[in-house]
Amino acid sequence: ETGVTQSPTHLIKTRGQQVTLRCSSQSGHNTVSWYQQALGQGPQFIFQYYREEENGRGNFPPRFSGLQFPNYSSELNVNALELDDSALYLCASSWGGRATYGYTFGSGTRLTVV
Amino acid sequence: DQQVKQNSPSLSVQEGRISILNCDYTNSMFDYFLWYKKYPAEGPTFLISISSIKDKNEDGRFTVFLNKSAKHLSLHIVPSQPGDSAVYFCAASPSGAGSYQLTFGKGTKLSVIP
Repeated sequence: ETGVTQSPTHLIKTRGQQVTLRCSSQSGHNTVSWYQQALGQGPQFIFQYYREEENGRGNFPPRFSGLQFPNYSSELNVNALELDDSALYLCASSWGGRATYGYTFGSGTRLTVV
Repeated sequence: DQQVKQNSPSLSVQEGRISILNCDYTNSMFDYFLWYKKYPAEGPTFLISISSIKDKNEDGRFTVFLNKSAKHLSLHIVPSQPGDSAVYFCAASPSGAGSYQLTFGKGTKLSVIP
């Protein structure tokens, strides 16, 4: 059973650029959630995808968008990058949309915006 | 406004002694609580959870206590081991609307001293 894999592990971008982060969900899981963890903070919910549709969204602007593919992998896209977008981005997969079903997290992508 | 608070950023405990990590919440809609452990360069790993219908849940060395009236939960680790050194996050979820997302605290860094 493979776990959640995220790519790339590290990324440096310039303010104003666009970035795409990728996530492969754990085998058997059909739901992907994305979280942003800023330095010294806990993970903060961005959005969730269930069966290729956005199932819920946290308090993030529209320039944060996502996709889920038929194989349940997912992408997080961020447009017009700002310095405050520098953070660890975590992907979590689960079976079903409820957080209580148990998430498996990936190791994250560390994004630095300069 | 932080809905899940972990007021101790760090905790040091001698090996073999008890570690007690605390968490407070403000949202009355939360009725499922989880603890995650995070090592550097890894994603959070699920440790233990508790539903609001219980006041205690035990799994080996780990016990979580929930005091609903005080909106407080704690994680007890007995006996503490050096491998337990990590950042511990408390997280909460409602069962109804918004059940797809976890709200995390800022974390407590536990150091177990050999």
